[in-house]
Amino acid sequence: EPEVTQTPSHQVTQMGQEVILRCVPISNHLYFYWYRQILGQKVEFLVSFYNNEISEKSEIFDDQFSVERPDGSNFTLKIRSTKLEDSAMYFCASQQYRSEAFFGQGTRLTVV
Amino acid sequence: AQTVTQSQPEMSVQEAETVTLSCTYDTSESNYYLFWYKQPPSRQMILVIRQEAYKQQNATENRFSVNFQKAAKSFSLKISDSQLGDTAMYFCALQSSGANSKLTFGKGITLSVRP
Repeated sequence: EPEVTQTPSHQVTQMGQEVILRCVPISNHLYFYWYRQILGQKVEFLVSFYNNEISEKSEIFDDQFSVERPDGSNFTLKIRSTKLEDSAMYFCASQQYRSEAFFGQGTRLTVV
Repeated sequence: AQTVTQSQPEMSVQEAETVTLSCTYDTSESNYYLFWYKQPPSRQMILVIRQEAYKQQNATENRFSVNFQKAAKSFSLKISDSQLGDTAMYFCALQSSGANSKLTFGKGITLSVRP
């Protein structure tokens, strides 16, 4: 069964460092998303992406964040200068039109 | 703006019994989708069940079924014959029917199944 794959599963980084979280969506999906979940809290939308463009972004997705789909398969989330409050579980999801979103297993980001 | 409310932070149920998890939502859209996702301790998000708002029939998926009340904007999940593996966090979520629409999640409910 096709699945969304995220790497790494756990990333520890120092405050102020750049991190790139990687995702391989399901191959025939068209719509891509990043969500985050701070420990013990609800899942929050960050950004949606379609046709090589951002479709929508939340207030959380400020200038420190960027996304790209560099090679037609990977979908990456970059945080330029991490802060302690960026520590969270980051989920990638992909979706076909009028279908449910499939989530990756998540990347746990710890900023120290 | 869309909102999803799960007012029960946690519930407990005896193995083999039935439990119902509540969810209410608000949206100005006429068509949308509702979901229940399960998040076990591994923290992966697993789709449990999906309901399309224009369908009057309640969705079922094996031991899982929903009670969808569109007028009341209520979407509860019933788990029958609860199993130990059902122990997890459960999130209710809402998505507009437009392409590339985001999911709006509730705060989640922690369900514990007792042996």
